[in-house]
Amino acid sequence: QVQLQESGPGLVKPSQTLSLTCTVSGGSISSGSYYWSWIRQPAGKGLEWIGRIYTSGSTNYNPSLKSRVTISVDTSKNQFSLKLSSVTAADTAVYYCAREGGGILTGLADYWGQGTLVTVSS
Amino acid sequence: DIQMTQSPSSVSASVGDRVTITCRASQGISSWLAWYQQKPGKAPKLLIYAASSLQSGVPSRFSGSGSGTDFTLTISSLQPEDFATYYCQQANSFPSITFGPGTKVDIK
Repeated sequence: QVQLQESGPGLVKPSQTLSLTCTVSGGSISSGSYYWSWIRQPAGKGLEWIGRIYTSGSTNYNPSLKSRVTISVDTSKNQFSLKLSSVTAADTAVYYCAREGGGILTGLADYWGQGTLVTVSS
Repeated sequence: DIQMTQSPSSVSASVGDRVTITCRASQGISSWLAWYQQKPGKAPKLLIYAASSLQSGVPSRFSGSGSGTDFTLTISSLQPEDFATYYCQQANSFPSITFGPGTKVDIK
C-alpha cells in the first residue's frame, strides 16, 4: 500500500520561499508509470492543482503558478519536493502531495498524503 | 482553460435519501471526469474515474454518469459516512487538470 507524507515548515514569511517534501513509502517512486503531484486547498475553499513530476524529471505546472513553482524528485530518497517562491498570504493553504495514476487514471490522484498546513505570515 | 462548475453548492439530506450532484465542464471533456469525496480534515478520496467507473473499494451506492460537458454523481441511499464534500475533476486537458468548486452534503 503506497503511503505519502508531507513535511516542511508550517510558517513561512511573505516574499520567502515555501519548501515542502513528500516521502513515499510502500513502493518505489521510480516504479510504474506514475506522476507525483502537489495540490493545495485554502481553508474552506476548493482544490488547486499546483504541478507534477515524472520520475524522469519532466514536470508540468499550473500556468497560474508556473513562474513561482519548482518541483523536483530524489529517487534515492523516494521523495519529491515543492518550492514556491515569493509567497503571499494568498498561498496559505493545506498542501497535499499525491500520486497520479497512469493509463485510465492519468491525471487522477489515487493516493494522497494527509496534507500539511502552511501559513504565510510575518 | 477548462472550467468546472458544480450544482448545488450544498445539499441537506437524510440517511437513506438519494442524492444527485451535477458537474458541468466549460467545454467537452469526453469521459475524462473523476469524482472525489473529502471529509473534514482529511485528504480527498478518489471515488469514480472515467465518469462512471468505480474505484476499487468504493461502495456500489455511488455511481457516476455523463460524457461531454454534463456529469452526475449519484448516491443511491445516503449513509452516515457519506456526509462530506464532493469534488469533480477533469483530466481531458492533461497535463493541466482542474477541479470543480465542490458540493457539500450535510445532514438535514
